Amino acid sequence: EADIYQTPRYLVIGTGKKITLECSQTMGHDKMYWYQQDPGMELHLIHYSYGVNSTEKGDLSSESTVSRIRTEHFPLTLESARPSHTSQYLCASSESGYNSPLHFGNGTRLTVT
Amino acid sequence: GEDVEQSLFLSVREGDSSVINCTYTDSSSTYLYWYKQEPGAGLQLLTYIFSNMDMKQDQRLTVLLNKKDKHLSLRIADTQTGDSAIYFCAESGTGRRALTFGSGTRLQVQP
Repeated sequence: EADIYQTPRYLVIGTGKKITLECSQTMGHDKMYWYQQDPGMELHLIHYSYGVNSTEKGDLSSESTVSRIRTEHFPLTLESARPSHTSQYLCASSESGYNSPLHFGNGTRLTVT
Repeated sequence: GEDVEQSLFLSVREGDSSVINCTYTDSSSTYLYWYKQEPGAGLQLLTYIFSNMDMKQDQRLTVLLNKKDKHLSLRIADTQTGDSAIYFCAESGTGRRALTFGSGTRLQVQP
């Protein structure tokens, strides 16, 4: 059973606010990921990390930033939220191998008004 | 680059078999995966197949892989209303930083 947790599950916030979406995993996985899922269902990789102090931008350009100070924790921050940031954000983790499956959290649904 | 395609929608009656199809472009894909997403939740790994296999069966799920045509399918036998969800196909390859996902197929099971 995968143990990866995201908080909050739902967030409604006004334009211009700073927000941090939390993601933690208890499996000791080195790799962690953030995906943005649009209403059309498609998943877009926005950030990933190979391990502590390693972060890279994904395929979809995002104004968000991430940090990886501890193996188990991979928070995502938006300095100034805008309505265009309204989306579902999914965090995932995997073991180090290239073919290791991803384990997903339940997601954070963000609405920026 | 890598590309994974799926049809958007499938509707079946309860008790029938469902077949969800996926095509991919990268011939170096090593593993192919099927994930399920229920409303309001993250993606749950259902099953996966290694690229040198043709078929994998796991209870009601059967995965078929045609590597020549780069075609993957997921068959769900005796489909139940609880199988209603979005199903994502994904593939991985050596040197990739993450899985490449299809756009998902919404399965609707009618009672």
